[in-house]
Parts: sequence; structure tokens; C-alpha cells
Amino acid sequence: DIQMTQFPSSVSASVGERVTISCRASQGVGSWLAWYQQKPEKAPQLLIYAASNLETGVPSRFTGSGSGTNFTLIINSLQPEDFGIYYCQQTNNFPPTFGQGTRLEMK
Amino acid sequence: DVQLVESGGGLVQPGGSLRLSCVVSGFNFRSYGINWVRQAPGKGLEWASYISRGSSTIFYADSVKGRFTISRDDAKNSVYLQMNSLRADDTAVYYCARGRGAAAHPYAHWGQGILVTVSS
Repeated sequence: DIQMTQFPSSVSASVGERVTISCRASQGVGSWLAWYQQKPEKAPQLLIYAASNLETGVPSRFTGSGSGTNFTLIINSLQPEDFGIYYCQQTNNFPPTFGQGTRLEMK
Repeated sequence: DVQLVESGGGLVQPGGSLRLSCVVSGFNFRSYGINWVRQAPGKGLEWASYISRGSSTIFYADSVKGRFTISRDDAKNSVYLQMNSLRADDTAVYYCARGRGAAAHPYAHWGQGILVTVSS
């Protein structure tokens, strides 16, 4: 199975700041990488698919980039509703695997 | 609107069985595959199983293979997850999820989740 590693595991930031979350795959996954946001007691929400494509309805302050084994999610001008846990997922190989999550907390 | 609604969760003893259901609406169910994704309390997401349109392709995570069976009933707009030989580490919120467009992954549509607790 492809292992997905996210870093940092947690990050504290203030409203208006820029946040970067990284995701590394144990082997190349092309651009088959998605990002999700999850809030407490809620199902995850798809933010980015195919590494850099913004899902419909997701604010443009979210940006995804990368290919192969290294990927990045950037959140520009952090908003109060952006706090939660972020997961990356590779969908290049079965089984599709998730990173362990990055907790974004308010500073 | 696309909707997925899980049911059938609850408390079960180790070694027991449970069947989860996922009823969908708002799209042509016959044309889409459905996944089950689970999340243990306080832990991350784990993909568990996938069934394609027409049930022609079925996959399982190694952690559930041989114990769980996924199936679908297109007439009832439903997907099922039969869970046998349940273990404590199967305790999780189980989500059914549909890919975006016709793709199997990633998941643009999720149910609200249903809790399965395996404990004596």
C-alpha cells in the first residue's frame, strides 16, 4: 500500500494568515491526490482533486499543487471557518490511502 | 441534491455481525460506484470497500477482507456492508461516499456517518 505522510501534524495560525500543509507519498501517484477538510462530528468535505483542481463551491483561497510524491495545500488569508483537520488522499492505486491528518487550530 | 444516508449501526459484541445500509437519492444510482470509509474514534480516515456500478468490480481493504461483504440493490437505491466476525478495532464511524462525477475516487459526496461500536 502507498503510505501518505502529512506534515505538520498540527499547526496554529491566526485569521488572515497563510498556512501550508504538505503531503508526501511513499511512491509516485502522479496527480491523483485529493485534499479534504473535516470539522468535528462532520463528514469530510472534498476541497481539491487531481492535486490542483478546486472542487465546486470551495473558496479560491484554497490552492493545491504538486505531483509525483510531494504535494502542498495552501490556505491564503485564513478564515474562522477554515479550522479543522485536513487530510490528503492518493487515488492512484488501490487501496486509496489517506494521510494521518493535519489539525489546523486557532492561535 | 445528492444525498446518502447510512443506517444499521449500533453496539455489537466481538465476533458478532451487523449490516449497514446506505440509501442514496438525487442522482442515477445505477450509474455510480459507492465506497465505505471508516473513522475510528479520534483517528484518521480509512477506506474500507468499493462496489462499482453493476457490481462488476468490488474491492476491500486488507483489514476487512474475508469478514465484510459489500453489495448493492439498484431497485432500492441502496448499498450494504455486511460485517461479520467483528472486532474491537472495527469500532468506527462508517461513511458511505460517492466519487465526483463517474469516478470511484475521490469522494465529493458523503453520508452523515453511522457509529458501530464493538464491545462486550
